Amino acid sequence: DAKTTQPPSMDCAEGRAANLPCNHSTISGNEYVYWYRQIHSQGPQYIIHGLKNNETNEMASLIITEDRKSSTLILPHATLRDTAVYYCIVRVVGFTTSGTYKYIFGTGTRLKVLA
Amino acid sequence: DGGITQSPKYLFRKEGQNVTLSCEQNLNHDAMYWYRQDPGQGLRLIYYSQIVNDFQKGDIAEGYSVSREKKESFPLTVTSAQKNPTAFYLCASSDRNQNTEAFFGQGTRLTVV
Repeated sequence: DAKTTQPPSMDCAEGRAANLPCNHSTISGNEYVYWYRQIHSQGPQYIIHGLKNNETNEMASLIITEDRKSSTLILPHATLRDTAVYYCIVRVVGFTTSGTYKYIFGTGTRLKVLA
Repeated sequence: DGGITQSPKYLFRKEGQNVTLSCEQNLNHDAMYWYRQDPGQGLRLIYYSQIVNDFQKGDIAEGYSVSREKKESFPLTVTSAQKNPTAFYLCASSDRNQNTEAFFGQGTRLTVV
């Protein structure tokens, strides 16, 4: 399974864009990039995912480099409620004979949005 | 409402006792997962199941056991063989062949005294 690397922590001013990077240099062609966030002592919340095209939804944008070795999650206008740990994950879609259909989490980036 | 439910939210047990954590989903998902989270750490995969009556070990399966007799249920037993059972346990489910996300429960915080 591909592994991900994220900076341990970041600060962002309220109202500004938060750009969270993720490296996944060993990603395979059929592995999607998923982003989740976790607010203290709660279950992780899905944000967005993508394969190779950039994606946008009501929460965030996901920019994936052309070689797919890294990606950036963008929260366009960060608020105090966006303070959380953000996880970048790669996941194989569908079942494989090796049974590697699973989500592997790293340690994430602790984002603090400052007033 | 569709979702994934873990119970109880807080659980206390004496050392040496087995304890079973409940996870139920009504999302009609084939795949279910159990993760463990220690303070300040990321999530580590304990077990996962792709279909009823089938499950695989994750990265830290020692001291844990699971069953998947029904599609909607994936209980996790923390046995006395688990050296450090005190942790936050998270259950998740997802579609098997779809390009969709996993849904997580709100977790069970297990404290062994």
